[in-house]
Amino acid sequence: SQQGEEDPQALSIQEGENATMNCSYKTSINNLQWYRQNSGRGLVHLILIRSNEREKHSGRLRVTLDTSKKSSSLLITASRAADTASYFCATDRPILTGGGNKLTFGTGTQLKVEL
Amino acid sequence: NAGVTQTPKFQVLKTGQSMTLQCAQDMNHNSMYWYRQDPGMGLRLIYYSASEGTTDKGEVPNGYNVSRLNKREFSLRLESAAPSQTSVYFCASSEWWDGGTDTQYFGPGTRLTVL
Repeated sequence: SQQGEEDPQALSIQEGENATMNCSYKTSINNLQWYRQNSGRGLVHLILIRSNEREKHSGRLRVTLDTSKKSSSLLITASRAADTASYFCATDRPILTGGGNKLTFGTGTQLKVEL
Repeated sequence: NAGVTQTPKFQVLKTGQSMTLQCAQDMNHNSMYWYRQDPGMGLRLIYYSASEGTTDKGEVPNGYNVSRLNKREFSLRLESAAPSQTSVYFCASSEWWDGGTDTQYFGPGTRLTVL
């Protein structure tokens, strides 16, 4: 089963509005990362938030992390048509056998920003 | 820097044929990954290599093999392709530290169709 589940699956807003996407997960994590994917392209990293952090900002992006609720949110403020893409959360956990860590991706939120 | 490169970009195979997907990174990262992405499924980890000389299975390794040729290159081989392996394949690389996996950098993807 997916470790990270995004909500909503799809979101349509007007340019200038804010977009909020949520991610829930099930087990303890090292960190949580958000990625963006334009149609037909590879994923691009947006923000990494560590398990001991509660909020992080990068330009128009704000990410929060609530480890007690096992959830995170990504807020895009003053959205633009160019923000139209799929957004994925990925949770990083230790690998119990063999060592190391790995990311597990959710199924994504498809954001459409209309003019 | 080219980042992460993948070849080929597109491939059509017949059932039972074999092929190797190539991936290279020029960021001197220790860890490399192969994912597949299917509609509505997010990214699923096929195999990963935490460091040069090691490889391990991910969530969906059946039907695939990998080779970490050197620190830069990580290849994915389909020995006998099946229609269920029709997908978009992404290679990624990253560093990791005691706190977990760092940002993953993705290649542009390979669109594979198995007839």
